[in-house]
Amino acid sequence: DVKVTQSSRYLVKRTGEKVFLECVQDMDHENMFWYRQDPGLGLRLIYFSYDVKMKEKGDIPEGYSVSREKKERFSLILESASTNQTSMYLCASSPGTPNTGELFFGEGSRLTVL
Amino acid sequence: GNSVTQMEGPVTLSEEAFLTINCTYTATGYPSLFWYVQYPGEGLQLLLKATKADDKGSNKGFEATYRKETTSFHLEKGSVQVSDSAVYFCALSAYNAGNMLTFGGGTRLMVKP
Repeated sequence: DVKVTQSSRYLVKRTGEKVFLECVQDMDHENMFWYRQDPGLGLRLIYFSYDVKMKEKGDIPEGYSVSREKKERFSLILESASTNQTSMYLCASSPGTPNTGELFFGEGSRLTVL
Repeated sequence: GNSVTQMEGPVTLSEEAFLTINCTYTATGYPSLFWYVQYPGEGLQLLLKATKADDKGSNKGFEATYRKETTSFHLEKGSVQVSDSAVYFCALSAYNAGNMLTFGGGTRLMVKP
């Protein structure tokens, strides 16, 4: 089975802190994604990556950056955390070809910014 | 642009009741349609999908039929169980958006014994 592992399930940070969320997948998938999940808003795409060292902005990239130095690892970075970034963050991956639209998700990282 | 609209929850049912969660979509062309489920404390997982009009996706007793004439993909189950309590997300994947998924807002289902 595909396994997508997010390094932290729960984090509490202070405003202005730098935050790293790590995600690792073990199925050699080309595509990786970061979403945030908020009640009533569903999932919103922050960034995605189709290949190592490649990144594309999603629908809500402001205040975030990403890094993909290795194929299996995709990191989300909050340079200066703010309270409106309190949310559940979900990492996902999918194979590049064929692109069926099916994503494999991690368990999520719940971030609270005080 | 593409969009997905789901009925707002929570939906509260008794065990063995019939479930319908409505989902309608707006998209250019012929999208693929999905239902994902998120059990408490877990990430999302694919429940079922349909890739063309009139296709029926099914899994674990859940069904949904791709209705192009009504742009709908309603989720149904004949007899729910307490273990079905979760958040359900409808989603679409369209070629005009690079096959990226567009999600609805999610519907929380609570099943009481």
